[in-house]
Amino acid sequence: GQSLEQPSEVTAVEGAIVQINCTYQTSGFYGLSWYQQHDGGAPTFLSYNALDGLEETGRFSSFLSRSDSYGYLLLQELQMKDSASYFCATPSGNTPLVFGKGTRLSVIA
Amino acid sequence: GAGVSQSPSNKVTEKGKDVELRCDPISGHTALYWYRQSLGQGLEFLIYFQGNSAPDKSGLPSDRFSAERTGGSVSTLTIQRTQQEDSAVYLCASSQGASPETQYFGPGTRLLVL
Repeated sequence: GQSLEQPSEVTAVEGAIVQINCTYQTSGFYGLSWYQQHDGGAPTFLSYNALDGLEETGRFSSFLSRSDSYGYLLLQELQMKDSASYFCATPSGNTPLVFGKGTRLSVIA
Repeated sequence: GAGVSQSPSNKVTEKGKDVELRCDPISGHTALYWYRQSLGQGLEFLIYFQGNSAPDKSGLPSDRFSAERTGGSVSTLTIQRTQQEDSAVYLCASSQGASPETQYFGPGTRLLVL
């Protein structure tokens, strides 16, 4: 099966850039997804990397290196509304998607 | 519908009672997923339906949990003889075909077992 490791908390300043890392242990690998969840809200899909490299969607980018079993989510021009939890996720065996424990991002002024 | 809907939004029950949680997926989505999330924790996979195939029940935490999906659309998660440790947010998600990497979540049902 899969296990995903990500930092529990990250703090960054408004307007800055922050990188949230995710490492995984593989037994078959089918790509890495990222989800955002605001307090009290539902997770929302941000991005998916099936192949190595960088995927960019506006202020958010996601990177994958399968050789390093590593990916990250990059958030640029941070805004207060980006304060949320961010989860990496990947399929594992019979489980369609296994989620990491999440990284709580706090954006401060 | 426009998005995944779940009902009730909140449920308070007494220990030992049965509860039913409902999920209505996005129209046209063939895959439906149930997760459980305890306060401040990640998402725990419970069960998954793909089309008319038999569901994968491997993630259900005990035999008190069951789920069904009628007509390939609406799903009901049933918890029998609820325990206090069942208190959590129960999230439902759906996706198109075999695309589990992109799931659309409902707002969840917050279950409190007293």
